[in-house]
Amino acid sequence: DAMVIQNPRYQVTQFGKPVTLSCSQTLNHNVMYWYQQKSSQAPKLLFHYYDKDFNNEADTPDNFQSRRPNTSFCFLDIRSPGLGDAAMYLCATSRDPGVGNEQFFGPGTRLTVL
Amino acid sequence: RKEVEQDPGPFNVPEGATVAFNCTYSNSASQSFFWYRQDCRKEPKLLMSVYSSGNEDGRFTAQLNRASQYISLLIRDSKLSDSATYLCVVNTGTYKYIFGTGTRLKVLA
Repeated sequence: DAMVIQNPRYQVTQFGKPVTLSCSQTLNHNVMYWYQQKSSQAPKLLFHYYDKDFNNEADTPDNFQSRRPNTSFCFLDIRSPGLGDAAMYLCATSRDPGVGNEQFFGPGTRLTVL
Repeated sequence: RKEVEQDPGPFNVPEGATVAFNCTYSNSASQSFFWYRQDCRKEPKLLMSVYSSGNEDGRFTAQLNRASQYISLLIRDSKLSDSATYLCVVNTGTYKYIFGTGTRLKVLA
């Protein structure tokens, strides 16, 4: 089945220790997104790629970076995690932006910062 | 005003009940509308897209009212397994999908 895969599912890191989360997709979608979701809140868009074009949300901290080496893979790097970065990180994909194109989500990576 | 607003609930309903959720959106240029279901500590999963004519999938019915800028989700004959958070999502045809904060539903035995 075509899908969005995230690894690891759970990540524990120490305050200030860099961490990388990965996402892969077999849907061959052009657009990949990274969201941060905290408890009882809506997912918050951090950035997205349209093919290789990177688009950062204005309020995404510089501490968050991303790489998309090819269509299938996308990485989220948190350079110096703080306690406030503990959250669920969701990767999603979609076809070209257009009417009716829904997003497909991976299972998420739950990040704990000690 | 938030771009997409939902009543956070929780809605506590007995099994077999009918429950309805509404979601309002502020951008009249919005073109695509979706209901996602999210279980605790899991990812959102598409429940259904919402079309202008309204659409039904089993016990679930979604309606869109463009004039009043709201969408609704009706769940008939609620099951225990319907307990989840229901997210309203709106898209203007660009890359950006705007999420509501979700409505929590708890179906009670």
